[in-house]
Amino acid sequence: RKEVEQDPGPFNVPEGATVAFNCTYSNSASQSFFWYRQDCRKEPKLLMSVYSSGNEDGRFTAQLNRASQYISLLIRDSKLSDSATYLCVVNAGYSSASKIIFGSGTRLSIRP
Amino acid sequence: NAGVTQTPKFQVLKTGQSMTLQCAQDMNHNSMYWYRQDPGMGLRLIYYSASEGTTDKGEVPNGYNVSRLNKREFSLRLESAAPSQTSVYFCASSEAHTALNYGYTFGSGTRLTVV
Repeated sequence: RKEVEQDPGPFNVPEGATVAFNCTYSNSASQSFFWYRQDCRKEPKLLMSVYSSGNEDGRFTAQLNRASQYISLLIRDSKLSDSATYLCVVNAGYSSASKIIFGSGTRLSIRP
Repeated sequence: NAGVTQTPKFQVLKTGQSMTLQCAQDMNHNSMYWYRQDPGMGLRLIYYSASEGTTDKGEVPNGYNVSRLNKREFSLRLESAAPSQTSVYFCASSEAHTALNYGYTFGSGTRLTVV
């Protein structure tokens, strides 16, 4: 089993729709969680951190479920510009960068 | 506001050739990293430098060496390139390596093909 797993997609949804995808992680000792966005042939960029209480940034909402070991990303009122690959990142410990695991990404395509 | 600058952006090597990928950051970050990204596998850590003067192996260090030249610069060297090293390479930096609370800043990547 991979340490961090994401549905690769692609998710193909119409503009204005709400879309959600999950990321599961295997290490119950994981401490911090993040969503990154990566546009085609570009570098990843930090989208948002995921806090235990959940957090919202505009149209984006991130949730953490420690009991089931997954994090989620919800995008409301999706825009064409939201088309990208979304990477889940899990930090299993604070003492070493080698504990930081990137998921392989979920592709999202928004159609007009 | 350059952030993290990587050179070159593209490179084609023949098997057995050597090359160095350069990375520089202007954010006064302590920690720097080299990742490779392959289809369906996510980003995998090659080497990192928690602070100036230190380097450590990541998940996939074989075939690579690194040098933290100073606080700004962190280079990745392929001594004898192999086709399995065909990949997209990203350099990244962060304020501290102990947590990702501040996030990584990535360079724009180097697309390397080994033939």
